[in-house]
Amino acid sequence: GDSVTQMEGPVTLSEEAFLTINCTYTATGYPSLFWYVQYPGEGLQLLLKATKADDKGSNKGFEATYRKETTSFHLEKGSVQVSDSAVYFCALQGAQKLVFGQGTRLTINP
Amino acid sequence: NAGVMQNPRHLVRRRGQEARLRCSPMKGHSHVYWYRQLPEEGLKFMVYLQKENIIDESGMPKERFSAEFPKEGPSILRIQQVVRGDSAAYFCASSPQWGTNTEAFFGQGTRLTVV
Repeated sequence: GDSVTQMEGPVTLSEEAFLTINCTYTATGYPSLFWYVQYPGEGLQLLLKATKADDKGSNKGFEATYRKETTSFHLEKGSVQVSDSAVYFCALQGAQKLVFGQGTRLTINP
Repeated sequence: NAGVMQNPRHLVRRRGQEARLRCSPMKGHSHVYWYRQLPEEGLKFMVYLQKENIIDESGMPKERFSAEFPKEGPSILRIQQVVRGDSAAYFCASSPQWGTNTEAFFGQGTRLTVV
């Protein structure tokens, strides 16, 4: 069945550091791919998405490129801020549901 | 346009009681999904409903759990005879349809604590 594997956390960085959170997936067909962010005590918010191979999703300085050849959708940001501290979830759109990775907790220290 | 509304935000139940979680989808959305998040874990799909129909309940435990989305009113996730292992955050999401470019919007969740 469809599945998503994310980089193990937690991840702790200093402000202005470069961020990469790895995400790979297994799916039949060509699913849409998403990154969601969850701030403490809140629900999930869509951060960015890509619907086909080689698409790049971007939002708030975050980017991720849909790589069909490596079945990956890694999240990157060039310079993180304290306010980026949250849990990040990679997800794919399966037949009739979103399938999530286990989440990566990111902490940014000033 | 109000977002997905879940209530209550926090629910405490004693073992053996029933828990009822409510989800009002965004206006115009007829598709509802329920997910469970255990502490420090990802989101696990539970059930997908359209108005008056259960489309996919492959993630629902076979016993004690049920869900409905009536023609009028919110979607309800019901857990009977709760046990400590049911303690988790339960999230509802809604969408207007299901397709490649469909975005699902999430509520803020109900945090169930079984004591």
